[in-house]
Amino acid sequence: QTVVTQEPSLTVSPGGTVTLTCASSTGAVTSGYYPNWFQQKPGQAPRALIYNTNKKHSWTPARFSGSLLGGKAALTLSGVQPEDEAEYHCLLWYGGAWVFGGGTKLTVL
Amino acid sequence: QVQLQESGPGLVKPSETLSLTCTVSGGSVSSDNSYWSWIRRPPGKGLEWIGYIYSIGSTNYNPSLKSRVTISLDTSKNQFSLKLSSVTAADTAVYYCARATDYWGQGTLVTVSS
Repeated sequence: QTVVTQEPSLTVSPGGTVTLTCASSTGAVTSGYYPNWFQQKPGQAPRALIYNTNKKHSWTPARFSGSLLGGKAALTLSGVQPEDEAEYHCLLWYGGAWVFGGGTKLTVL
Repeated sequence: QVQLQESGPGLVKPSETLSLTCTVSGGSVSSDNSYWSWIRRPPGKGLEWIGYIYSIGSTNYNPSLKSRVTISLDTSKNQFSLKLSSVTAADTAVYYCARATDYWGQGTLVTVSS
């Protein structure tokens, strides 16, 4: 069974920079996994932020960026705002099936 | 802008079939060059992809749910639906519909309990 792994929790100071990662149990994540990233706040639906590794939706704030880093998909937040406190989910494509990571709870403190 | 809204019973008995519908506005389930997804989030757990259906009607399902899941289109109503059979308490979750992975519905809580 394929497992996608994210950091369970991270803490960042306002104005700081933080990188969240997304690893695959099958090996290095490449662009062929079409990594997606989502933000979810309590009681709300997930909001899409990044698709195809590093493409932004029209509503994605500029401080969010996606990349590949050390064999993982990565989401970097630069100049973190208090409203960025949320859970972040990654999603990887396995040739017909999508698999979500377990989510990273980001605290802004 | 595409909007999606889930609807269906909030309570389902164990062993019965869970049925949900997603109504789409601002887009077409039959002509958009896209696919239509169902995702769920059990309480205290992460998101789980359930499956999707293309506008032409072909489907892909999560292998762990494949034997119990059916996703279908109703082009006349611009809707797509989820059926999950033989439910147990483990199927209790907030269920979301989405266009591919970009536009999401607000979600609906389905509880499996007698």
